[in-house]
Amino acid sequence: GQNIDQPTEMTATEGAIVQINCTYQTSGFNGLFWYQQHAGEAPTFLSYNVLDGLEEKGRFSSFLSRSKGYSYLLLKELQMKDSASYLCAPRQPGGYNKLIFGAGTRLAVHP
Amino acid sequence: EAGVTQSPTHLIKTRGQQVTLRCSPISGHTSVYWYQQALGLGLQFLLWYDEGEERNRGNFPPRFSGRQFPNYSSELNVNALELEDSALYLCASSRQGASGETQYFGPGTRLLVL
Repeated sequence: GQNIDQPTEMTATEGAIVQINCTYQTSGFNGLFWYQQHAGEAPTFLSYNVLDGLEEKGRFSSFLSRSKGYSYLLLKELQMKDSASYLCAPRQPGGYNKLIFGAGTRLAVHP
Repeated sequence: EAGVTQSPTHLIKTRGQQVTLRCSPISGHTSVYWYQQALGLGLQFLLWYDEGEERNRGNFPPRFSGRQFPNYSSELNVNALELEDSALYLCASSRQGASGETQYFGPGTRLLVL
């Protein structure tokens, strides 16, 4: 089966650091994406991990452990505009290109 | 570079009607994907088209169908609309269809079925 687990909601303070965890159980693995989605808008691409380890991209970093079926997104120096939903999406293997989304984590950043 | 575009932005239909949603991919992208996002739920994969062919299909009934045109734009058709079809329909595109290609999303079409 395919299952994605993320916390439903998180809150953090402007300027702080927050880590959004994602565990997944999928039939095989072919990379994992993180997207940001503001309310009423389309998801926008943040990061892609296919090998274990940390990928850093400015204020955002993403980590992957394939053996543990675990990823996290780390957001540093939080800004109010980071208030959004964050979607963890493993890709179905076998060349099917299907992304498997969980319900996402809704992050609220407070002053 | 223009992003993925979708039309219309909003649509209201009644049960039993049919609807067609349209998507234009980013220039140079040949793959188009359709996802459904019901209120408060995660994105559910509907369809993947690449080079005019349907490559993969999600767990949706046959009344959800689509096609891809020679210019790589795509249509999603939903027949015999039901109330639970009310959702945001998102189209994404990527280069080719190979593994590792990032999917970029359009703004979506918000469908309300009354």
